[in-house]
Amino acid sequence: RKEVEQDPGPFNVPEGATVAFNCTYSNSASQSFFWYRQDCRKEPKLLMSVYSSGNEDGRFTAQLNRASQYISLLIRDSKLSDSATYLCVVNYILIKAAGNKLTFGGGTRVLVKP
Amino acid sequence: NAGVTQTPKFQVLKTGQSMTLQCAQDMNHNSMYWYRQDPGMGLRLIYYSASEGTTDKGEVPNGYNVSRLNKREFSLRLESAAPSQTSVYFCASSSGGARRNQPQHFGDGTRLSIL
Repeated sequence: RKEVEQDPGPFNVPEGATVAFNCTYSNSASQSFFWYRQDCRKEPKLLMSVYSSGNEDGRFTAQLNRASQYISLLIRDSKLSDSATYLCVVNYILIKAAGNKLTFGGGTRVLVKP
Repeated sequence: NAGVTQTPKFQVLKTGQSMTLQCAQDMNHNSMYWYRQDPGMGLRLIYYSASEGTTDKGEVPNGYNVSRLNKREFSLRLESAAPSQTSVYFCASSSGGARRNQPQHFGDGTRLSIL
């Protein structure tokens, strides 16, 4: 079983609609969580951190459910420019070293169409 | 606003050749990372450096070596390139240390093809 699993999609979304998707993780010791966005052949860019109480950034809402070990991302009023692959990222604090280790999901592809 | 800078952006090698991918960050980050991304797969960690003077293996270290030259720079070396190492390579950095819950910031990648 992969440490971080995502539905690869694609999610075909009409412009203006709402889309939501989840990501599950297997390590209950995970410390922090992020959503990254990756455009075709580009580097991953941080979209938002995910906090235990849930958080919102404009049209984007992220939720964390530690009991069920999943995080979610909801996009409201989808724009054409939201078309991208969304990467779920789980952060483990390394005890032995002073760093941290990110584990990436395979990504969920979202296509927003006019 | 450079952030994380990778060189080169593109490279074609022949099997058996060696090369070094360079990465530098100007954010005063402690930790640096090298990933590879293959079609249909997520990013996989090759090596990381939690702080200057330390390096550790990630998920897929075979065929690679790294050097943390100083706090700013972290290089990845392929000693004898193989076609299986054809990939997009990303360097990343993060605060590390006491701020290990912070996200990583990525360079724009090196596209490497090995014939």
